[in-house]
Amino acid sequence: GDSVTQTEGQVALSEEDFLTIHCNYSASGYPALFWYVQYPGEGPQFLFRASRDKEKGSSRGFEATYDKGTTSFHLRKASVQESDSAVYYCALGDWGTNTGKLTFGDGTVLTVKP
Amino acid sequence: EAAVTQSPRNKVAVTGGKVTLSCNQTNNHNNMYWYRQDTGHGLRLIHYSYGAGSTEKGDIPDGYKASRPSQENFSLILELATPSQTSVYFCASGELGLEQYFGPGTRLTVL
Repeated sequence: GDSVTQTEGQVALSEEDFLTIHCNYSASGYPALFWYVQYPGEGPQFLFRASRDKEKGSSRGFEATYDKGTTSFHLRKASVQESDSAVYYCALGDWGTNTGKLTFGDGTVLTVKP
Repeated sequence: EAAVTQSPRNKVAVTGGKVTLSCNQTNNHNNMYWYRQDTGHGLRLIHYSYGAGSTEKGDIPDGYKASRPSQENFSLILELATPSQTSVYFCASGELGLEQYFGPGTRLTVL
């Protein structure tokens, strides 16, 4: 079945550091890829998506590029702020099955120190 | 603005009791989903629905039922709650091929 692997379980940075969270996927079809962010006590919020190879998604200074060759969709931000502290989830949607369901990675806890 | 609400926000239940978690969406989306979130497992799909009257099994449906009486409402039912079902439950709505919008979650504790 489909799966998403986030390499980092936890990331600790200082403000203005560069962020990379690695996401690799395995899917039988040609999935859409998503990043979600979850703040304490809230549900996951859609950050952005990419639907085809080499497409870049971006929002709020975060970005990721769909790479079909390496089956990756790594999240990056040039300069993190304390307010970016949250849990980040990579997800894939395999629309070929027509279920509309998303398969999520285990999440990465980002802590940014002032 | 798109909105998904869940009730209750917190629930304590006894083992063997019946629990119903409710979800309402004002997005007019056809698809609705129930996930559970546990440390180390991310979000896992329990049941989903394509529209009023339909329910489908997700990846971990055992011990759960779902009901979609209308476009706006989608319930998750635990007929005989067990401690292993202690978790945070999220409802979401969306359209096929697009992002999903999540509710604020229900924290369920089964004693």
